[in-house]
Amino acid sequence: DADVTQTPRNRITKTGKRIMLECSQTKGHDRMYWYRQDPGLGLRLIYYSFDVKDINKGEISDGYSVSRQAQAKFSLSLESAIPNQTALYFCATSEQGPNEKLFFGSGTQLSVL
Amino acid sequence: EDQVTQSPEALRLQEGESSSLNCSYTVSGLRGLFWYRQDPGKGPEFLFTLYSAGEEKEKERLKATLTKKESFLHITAPKPEDSATYLCAVTSQGGSYIPTFGRGTSLIVHP
Repeated sequence: DADVTQTPRNRITKTGKRIMLECSQTKGHDRMYWYRQDPGLGLRLIYYSFDVKDINKGEISDGYSVSRQAQAKFSLSLESAIPNQTALYFCATSEQGPNEKLFFGSGTQLSVL
Repeated sequence: EDQVTQSPEALRLQEGESSSLNCSYTVSGLRGLFWYRQDPGKGPEFLFTLYSAGEEKEKERLKATLTKKESFLHITAPKPEDSATYLCAVTSQGGSYIPTFGRGTSLIVHP
């Protein structure tokens, strides 16, 4: 089983719908992140959480919200999806301390029509 | 604000043709520079961390080097299975240690 699991892998939805992307991890890491990846733009940080009670906005948080339900679970919501939120979304985790390397899930491809 | 620029955007090589990918960065005190490999349809996978100028790390046909302004990922005698997008990221001292990513270099190795 994967250490970082994202569901669903693919989702097609319509403009205005509410969408939730889920992430769970078995690595025991406190830190979790949500990124989106667009062709030519690289990975951009949406939200991050350093522990269950800590939620922080990233560089592109507008239109998104998150919930850290437990150390192992971090979900991303689009309250009212719009077409320019069509992208590949990644959840990642990292250890706390000097080695901040990230462990990524396999991604969710979201298409908003 | 930390900045990472990767070049070239895309690179096509013949099998066995060695080359290098570049990652230039601007940070207010480098904490770490990271290289990741991303295969199509998958999440990035960690390759290396470099912490100080002069440091080198190797893994199979890949070797990462670091100076005060840039890092190189050298690929020696590449094989088709080395085809992937290679991402560079940096973290800076005194911050929250959130990595800033470059846009990546897409490498295709032809047999």
